[in-house]
Amino acid sequence: EVQLVESGGGLVQPGRSLKLSCAASGFTFSNYGMAWVCQAPTKGLEWVASISTGGGNTYYRDSVKGRFTISRDNAKNTLYLQMDSLRSEDTATYYCARHNNFGVMDAWGQGASVTVSS
Amino acid sequence: DIVLTQSPALAVSLGQRATISCRASQSVSTSSYNLMHWYQQKPGEQPKLLIYDASNLASGIPVRFSGSGSGTDFTLTINPVQADDIATYYCQQSRELPLTFGSGTKLEIK
Repeated sequence: EVQLVESGGGLVQPGRSLKLSCAASGFTFSNYGMAWVCQAPTKGLEWVASISTGGGNTYYRDSVKGRFTISRDNAKNTLYLQMDSLRSEDTATYYCARHNNFGVMDAWGQGASVTVSS
Repeated sequence: DIVLTQSPALAVSLGQRATISCRASQSVSTSSYNLMHWYQQKPGEQPKLLIYDASNLASGIPVRFSGSGSGTDFTLTINPVQADDIATYYCQQSRELPLTFGSGTKLEIK
């Protein structure tokens, strides 16, 4: 069974940093691109970033470029999202997702809640 | 960015057909693929892939879900609607970055 389990969410002050992790199991992690998608409270889904199978290619939405970094450790079957210079508008649930064909997200974690507030 | 437009809500009677539409601000089709995908999200849960490449049923999804369309106009059909289908449905394009989602259509029962 494919499982994606996010961790690392919480309450953080504006301007500070947070690192999310996503532990993958039930599939060969290194064979799949991965993504982070967020959802602000009562709002819709918003793609944040994606990473290729080996980690050599990364892609970001404009609003997080230079602040967020997506990475992966294939030996540990884990995806990461380093979030720096956090803003109140980054408050959301962050989902880890597996890319099947690039752009299609065929498995999702349960989400990690991030609240940016003073 | 490609903007995807969905109606906010749709009310359907149990056992009837639900048709949810998604219109893209520019074509999301290539010569080979229609790069539109559909997800279901129930309250308090993570999204689930229903349909990929406009018309392909994802693994484990019941055949009463189907998708169609090309270019800029796409449709998700649920027939017949069951009580378990109460959810918000999102379209998403992968024709170009940034990947974008529609704002979601909330399916309600009449």
